Amino acid sequence: NAGVTQTPKFQVLKTGQSMTLQCAQDMNHEYMSWYRQDPGMGLRLIHYSVGAGITDQGEVPNGYNVSRSTTEDFPLRLLSAAPSQTSVYFCASSATLRDRGSGQFFGPGTRLTVL
Amino acid sequence: AQKITQTQPGMFVQEKEAVTLDCTYDTSDPSYGLFWYKQPSSGEMIFLIYQGSYDQQNATEGRYSLNFQKARKSANLVISASQLGDSAMYFCAMREDGGTDKLIFGTGTRLQVFP
Repeated sequence: NAGVTQTPKFQVLKTGQSMTLQCAQDMNHEYMSWYRQDPGMGLRLIHYSVGAGITDQGEVPNGYNVSRSTTEDFPLRLLSAAPSQTSVYFCASSATLRDRGSGQFFGPGTRLTVL
Repeated sequence: AQKITQTQPGMFVQEKEAVTLDCTYDTSDPSYGLFWYKQPSSGEMIFLIYQGSYDQQNATEGRYSLNFQKARKSANLVISASQLGDSAMYFCAMREDGGTDKLIFGTGTRLQVFP
């Protein structure tokens, strides 16, 4: 199993540009989420999904869109990039909530810089 | 509201010694889970250990143990016999068992192990 994969690993955007961060998992996990990590602030939840066709907002959703058309994929879209969105983005997945002690599996991260 | 507090921005420990990383939490939900993750300099997030709010015994995973004091709302991570490879950022996180898998993270503690 590849686990959780994210592309690209690095990206530089200009203010106002849009892009999609890709996330895929091959573990048939129901739950997927996107976090951003900024220095000194830990990880903050952007959006999450509890299954295909179901998404909801996390702590910092403004400026981002998500969709979950399949169990495997959970892309994050930046609609109009701003310098405040410069961050490291992590995608994570976890199995059914009945398996509560398994923890979330994280992808390797995408380092995004917005100029 | 949920909150995770890690008050130690940085810790030093000598190789082979034990070290405790502090974590306190706040929640009004009686059912929740507590997690510790390790983030080495390479950037990936590695799940270490989990403690459920109704678990009677403290969780252990190899050299990691979680000192869970429910009345004090603390969930400290104890690393025994520290190794140079333990040098990393450590994040405490909490999940309220309300039907989703949302994690709230603390700001992290940077542990440095010296010979």
